[in-house]
Amino acid sequence: GAGVSQSPSNKVTEKGKDVELRCDPISGHTALYWYRQSLGQGLEFLIYFQGNSAPDKSGLPSDRFSAERTGGSVSTLTIQRTQQEDSAVYLCASSRGRSNQPQHFGDGTRLSIL
Amino acid sequence: GQQLNQSPQSMFIQEGEDVSMNCTSSSIFNTWLWYKQDPGEGPVLLIALYKAGELTSNGRLTAQFGITRKDSFLNISASIPSDVGIYFCAGQLALGTGANNLFFGTGTRLTVIP
Repeated sequence: GAGVSQSPSNKVTEKGKDVELRCDPISGHTALYWYRQSLGQGLEFLIYFQGNSAPDKSGLPSDRFSAERTGGSVSTLTIQRTQQEDSAVYLCASSRGRSNQPQHFGDGTRLSIL
Repeated sequence: GQQLNQSPQSMFIQEGEDVSMNCTSSSIFNTWLWYKQDPGEGPVLLIALYKAGELTSNGRLTAQFGITRKDSFLNISASIPSDVGIYFCAGQLALGTGANNLFFGTGTRLTVIP
């Protein structure tokens, strides 16, 4: 489809393992955002990519979290040495990157750390 | 980041009633957005507002961009059971140096009683 695609949709892993979450933005969208949403809570900003600019990493909760965006398209969020408090839904969104262009969200990856 | 105060946090209403929720901020925004999130899915854009004072409708939904550019409200008329979900406001700044420019409210959880 033409929407934001995230994979996997669900991920269960053991504490201490590394995980990689993938986001395919809408074609042509230069801005990409990652958010974390705990059960029943709001959206916690993690990281923002805009074109070729250096990403805004100010929302990453610890140095175990990192993200890349290759070729201005696909993005990967990596969590190293996962902890139980990392359990949440990780949402990706993209937009055309101009200030008046709204974001479009994927359905998220539900991450469960055992 | 910017703080958006969204209220109420939750609402329980009878089917057929009208609903109103709002967002306020100490910051001025260029764009106000309203999203709805259903369980297990990402937020979906309902209405985007681009000018101070703008009043925009989308079916039974009406939203306004406050004249001070620091607030917005969303009204839902004649609520139906499928209106159940979490509603998020978001304020967007003009693009700048690559820093995140989109900030979300904490959400309003709406329950419609048939």
